[in-house]
Amino acid sequence: DVKVTQSSRYLVKRTGEKVFLECVQDMDHENMFWYRQDPGLGLRLIYFSYDVKMKEKGDIPEGYSVSREKKERFSLILESASTNQTSMYLCASTTPGQGTGETQYFGPGTRLLVL
Amino acid sequence: DAKTTQPTSMDCAEGRAANLPCNHSTISGNEYVYWYRQIHSQGPQYIIHGLKNNETNEMASLIITEDRKSSTLILPHATLRDTAVYYCIVRPYNTNAGKSTFGDGTTLTVKP
Repeated sequence: DVKVTQSSRYLVKRTGEKVFLECVQDMDHENMFWYRQDPGLGLRLIYFSYDVKMKEKGDIPEGYSVSREKKERFSLILESASTNQTSMYLCASTTPGQGTGETQYFGPGTRLLVL
Repeated sequence: DAKTTQPTSMDCAEGRAANLPCNHSTISGNEYVYWYRQIHSQGPQYIIHGLKNNETNEMASLIITEDRKSSTLILPHATLRDTAVYYCIVRPYNTNAGKSTFGDGTTLTVKP
C-alpha cells in the first residue's frame, strides 16, 4: 500500500513563529503536493514538486515556501505564521501516468492552529 | 480542469447500495473521472477512476455514461464506515502537475 505520512496531526503555533510541516512518501513518487483545506473553499494547491529540488507555485503560494532535498520528502514552511494560515494542510503524492491515469495519494493531514 | 456538479448530501441505509451521481458535461477527451472520499478530519482517500469504460475494484464501481458527461459511483453494500464526503474530479491524464480541484462533494450519511 502507498503510504504518505505527515509529521504532525495537530499543531498549535503562535503568530510570527516559523513552522515546518513535513511529508514523506514511501512509493518513489516523482510528484508531491501541498494543499490547504478550508470550509467552503475546498482544496487549494499551495506548491508542488515534480522532482528533487524542483518546485512550482500553486494557486496560493503567498506566505509559504517549500523544500524538496530528497525524493521521498517534501516540506512546507510558513516563514512567519499568521492567524489566516490556520487550516488543515494536506500533502499528496502521485503515481506517474502509465496509460491508466494518474492517481493521487494523500496523507492524513495536519490541522494547524495559529494563535 | 472540467467542472463537476454533485448533490450536496445523500442518505443511504446500511447494507443497501449507495449511488452517487456526478455531472461533468464539459469533460474533455483526455480527462479521467476520479472519485475520492474524505472521512472527517482525515486526508482524502482514492477510490476509483476511469476514462470511458465502467470500472470496478474492491471498494466500488464506476459507471460512466457513453457521452462521458456524467458518472455514478456505486458502493454496493454501504456500511456506517462509508459515511464521508465523496468528491468527483475530472483531470487530464498525466498532467505532471496533478492538480486536484476538489469542490464541495457529496456528504453521504449511511444510517443503521
